[in-house]
Amino acid sequence: GAVVSQHPSRVICKSGTSVKIECRSLDFQATTMFWYRQFPKQSLMLMATSNEGSKATYEQGVEKDKFLINHASLTLSTLTVTSAHPEDSSFYICSARGIIGTGKNTGELFFGEGSRLTVL
Amino acid sequence: AQTVTQSQPEMSVQEAETVTLSCTYDTSESDYYLFWYKQPPSRQMILVIRQEAYKQQNATENRFSVNFQKAAKSFSLKISDSQLGDAAMYFCVMSGANSKLTFGKGITLSVRP
Repeated sequence: GAVVSQHPSRVICKSGTSVKIECRSLDFQATTMFWYRQFPKQSLMLMATSNEGSKATYEQGVEKDKFLINHASLTLSTLTVTSAHPEDSSFYICSARGIIGTGKNTGELFFGEGSRLTVL
Repeated sequence: AQTVTQSQPEMSVQEAETVTLSCTYDTSESDYYLFWYKQPPSRQMILVIRQEAYKQQNATENRFSVNFQKAAKSFSLKISDSQLGDAAMYFCVMSGANSKLTFGKGITLSVRP
């Protein structure tokens, strides 16, 4: 199956610094990528949808200037948490949906391993 | 708007027994997909099973099967011969043909040895 790699898996940073999380589709073209945030024992909360070559679409309540998303190529999307604060500490997960094999979009999402962000 | 409802926050099953996780959904789309994803303690999201809405036959994957009732908008997951490794959080997810995924709140399944 398709593989999505997310890096780093864990990051600890000081308050006020910026952190970048990368999401790569390793064996397929990811025309659309999604970024989620997950609190303990809760469901995934969609933060934004990014389409290759265009601006990301943010969900209501998500600060665009706080969470910068770039999807410059068909295999890479990045999430940058700017001026991070302790309340930004969370588990962030990326997922990708794209065209695979014969060109069929199965609707399935392929998830990265997730990134645990801790802001001190 | 799409909604996915998982009303049970937790369930427990004895090892080797069968358990059913319930899920209902609502959508105005005629073409959509339904999924069950598993999230073990590692937090990696793992696809358990997928169902295309246009298919009447219920999907099965080894010990996992679904009961897809399109008219009732119900999509339950049955796990047979439960194993300790099945313990995880399970999410019912819906995807329209061109829309983003909608997640249920999830259910935590524990397996008693």
